[in-house]
This record gives sequence, C-alpha cells and structure tokens, in this order.
Amino acid sequence: DVKVTQSSRYLVKRTGEKVFLECVQDMDHENMFWYRQDPGLGLRLIYFSYDVKMKEKGDIPEGYSVSREKKERFSLILESASTNQTSMYLCGCGGTSGRVYNEQFFGPGTRLTVL
Amino acid sequence: DAKTTQPPSMDCAEGRAANLPCNHSTISGNEYVYWYRQIHSQGPQYIIHGLKNNETNEMASLIITEDRKSSTLILPHATLRDTAVYYCIVRVAETSYDKVIFGPGTSLSVIP
Repeated sequence: DVKVTQSSRYLVKRTGEKVFLECVQDMDHENMFWYRQDPGLGLRLIYFSYDVKMKEKGDIPEGYSVSREKKERFSLILESASTNQTSMYLCGCGGTSGRVYNEQFFGPGTRLTVL
Repeated sequence: DAKTTQPPSMDCAEGRAANLPCNHSTISGNEYVYWYRQIHSQGPQYIIHGLKNNETNEMASLIITEDRKSSTLILPHATLRDTAVYYCIVRVAETSYDKVIFGPGTSLSVIP
C-alpha cells in the first residue's frame, strides 16, 4: 500500500515564524500536492509538483512556497506564518503507475495553529 | 476541469443503500468521474471512477447517465463507518500530471 507521511499531526507556531511542513511518499509517484482544508471551503490546492524541482501554483499559493529536491519529498514552507494560515494541511501524491490511473493518495494531515 | 455540484448533506439509515448524486453538466468527452471520501480526521480516500459505463468495486457502484451530465455513487449497505464527506470530481485521467480540484462535497451521516 502507498504510504504518505507528514512530519507532524499537530503544530502550534507564532505569528511571523517560518514553518516547514514535510511530506514523504514511498511509491515513487511523480506528482505531489499540498492542500489546505477549512470548514465550509473543502480542499483547496496550494501547490503541486509533477517532477523533482518542478512546481506549479494551485488556487491559493499566496503566503506559501514549496520545495521538491527529491522525488519522495515535498515540503510546504510558510515564510512568515500568519493567523489566517491556521488550517488543516493535507499532502497527497499520485502518478501513472498503480491499479488506478492517476489515483491520488493522501497523508493524515497536519493541523497547524498560528497564534 | 469541469465543475461539479453536490448536495451539502444527506442522511441514510444503517443497512440501507446510500445514493449520492453529482451533477457535472459541462463534462468533456475525455473527462472521467472520480469519487473520493474523507472520514473525520483522515486524508481523502479514493473510492471509484468511471468514464461512461457503470462501474462496481468492493466499496461502491457508480452509475453514470447516458448523457454523462450526472452520476450517482451507491453504497449498497451503508454502515456507521461510511459516515464521511464524499467528493465527486471530474478530470482527465490520461494526463501526465493532474491538478485535482475538490468541491465542498456531500456530508453523509449514517444513522443507526
């Protein structure tokens, strides 16, 4: 089974801090994603990456950056955390291999609180 | 990607079939219908997908209308563990990379 792990389940940071959210997948998938999920808004795509060192903006990239130096690892960076970035962050991966073409797999999520 | 519309919430009695509708009237000929669900405090999980034929797997059945403008996900015998938010998504499956857009979904409550 595909495994997507996120570095923390719960995280509390202060306004202005630099925050790193790490995601690792073990299935050699090309594509990786970061979403945030807020009540009433569903999942919103922040950034996605379709290859090492490649990235594309999703629907809400402002205030975030990403890094993909290795295929299995995709990091989300909040350069200067703000209270409106308090949210659940979900990392996902997907690709052209596996039993379902382009099926996406998700990690358990990181609940970030910015004080 | 085509937009989808789903009812915000539904109830279903335990042991009965849960039928979750989805409208996707602007779907293109090469776009598939995917269903995911998200149980509380977990990441979304793939359920099923289809192009134009009805599909069935161990989790659910997917019925797509002939004009492909709507579909229904069927959980044949709903259990309490099926309580979750269900997302209907349409997208092109045969692309080298995919950007998946989730809507608000349908919150299904299975009632004892």
